[in-house]
Amino acid sequence: ETGVTQTPRHLVMGMTNKKSLKCEQHLGHNAMYWYKQSAKKPLELMFVYNFKEQTENNSVPSRFSPECPNSSHLFLHLHTLQPEDSALYLCASSRNLAGLPYNEQFFGPGTRLTVL
Amino acid sequence: TQLLEQSPQFLSIQEGENLTVYCNSSSVFSSLQWYRQEPGEGPVLLVTVVTGGEVKKLKRLTFQFGDARKDSSLHITAAQPGDTGLYLCAGINTNAGKSTFGDGTTLTVKP
Repeated sequence: ETGVTQTPRHLVMGMTNKKSLKCEQHLGHNAMYWYKQSAKKPLELMFVYNFKEQTENNSVPSRFSPECPNSSHLFLHLHTLQPEDSALYLCASSRNLAGLPYNEQFFGPGTRLTVL
Repeated sequence: TQLLEQSPQFLSIQEGENLTVYCNSSSVFSSLQWYRQEPGEGPVLLVTVVTGGEVKKLKRLTFQFGDARKDSSLHITAAQPGDTGLYLCAGINTNAGKSTFGDGTTLTVKP
């Protein structure tokens, strides 16, 4: 397995359900990201983890809870979501954020989430 | 907050035509990247430009970074249906360890 993988690729859930999105990277990167992509805002950064530590939370509602147990895995736990949370959720990884001339992000294929 | 504006937001052209999309900011970036995203997939990096005034070519795609490192353009020659997708630019600020994405240009190339 290479690159960045995400599971599931599609998810339909009710507003009272609890579900989790999983991301795994096989690139030896130290930084991982969650993005939300919808028709209203093409790419919204949600969370950033650098060496397993959360370094950025862009005012994301608490119904989204990230978890980064190690440098290769990232989860997004979902609870009591709203229909407006329906979107494509993208995971990305990159090398260490600091001290590099550029920060190329490798994206997974995304999870298409529909909240009923 | 560093903002990146992309234009046009939508572009629909016929196969064989040329096009240019733009990425503009009032902020200076350490480098700038262009990604292409096809439906149902995540964005894929096309190029990174680092030096002001730099021009990079990738087959029929030409990328230019502005002299002041505040803006960039992507020119496609003889567009093909396979070029259809969402084109995103991302400005990198190395000191802050941040990247900022533009809102994207959705390109449709009709056969």
